[in-house]
Amino acid sequence: DIQMTQSPSSVSASVGETITITCRASQGVSAWLAWYQQKPGKAPNLLIHAASSFQSGVPSRFNGSGSETDFTLTILGLQPEDAATYYCLQAHRYPFTFGGGTKVEI
Amino acid sequence: EVQLVESGGGLVKPGGSLRLSCVASGFTFSTYNMNWVRQAPGKGLEWVSSITSSGSYVYYADSVKGRFTISRDTATSSLYLQMDSLRADDTAVYYCTRSLNSASDIFAFWGQGALVTVSS
Repeated sequence: DIQMTQSPSSVSASVGETITITCRASQGVSAWLAWYQQKPGKAPNLLIHAASSFQSGVPSRFNGSGSETDFTLTILGLQPEDAATYYCLQAHRYPFTFGGGTKVEI
Repeated sequence: EVQLVESGGGLVKPGGSLRLSCVASGFTFSTYNMNWVRQAPGKGLEWVSSITSSGSYVYYADSVKGRFTISRDTATSSLYLQMDSLRADDTAVYYCTRSLNSASDIFAFWGQGALVTVSS
């Protein structure tokens, strides 16, 4: 199975700051990597797919990059509504696996 | 607008069974792979099972293999998850998800979730 190691597990930042979340795969996943945002009591929302492609309607302050084993999600200019937990997902090979999550506090 | 609406969750005793349903609308159901993802209370996300658009291929997490069965009905645009021999660690919110497109299995659209509680 492909293990997804996500860091940090939590981060606290102020409005307007830039933060970076990383996800490392235990083996190459090409660009089959997605990022999700989840707010309490809600279903996850797809932000980025194919490692760096925006899902429709996602603000441009969310940026994804990387390939194979190392990926990053950067949030430029944090907004209060960005407080949430963020997950990465590899969909390269079954079983699909998620990172452990990063809780972002603002 | 893509909509996925789950139903069938509830309280069940260990060893019992439950069947989750997900009714899809807003897209051509027969052309997309579908999936179940779960989240235990206060925990992260876990992929459970996937089924191809034709229903020809199914995949399961090791944690549910042999106990859960995924299926779909094109006539009613419905996805199902039959859960047998339920255990306490199956307690979770179960989400029905649709893959992004025919080339990507990324979970693009999610239902609101159905809570399954396994407890005596």
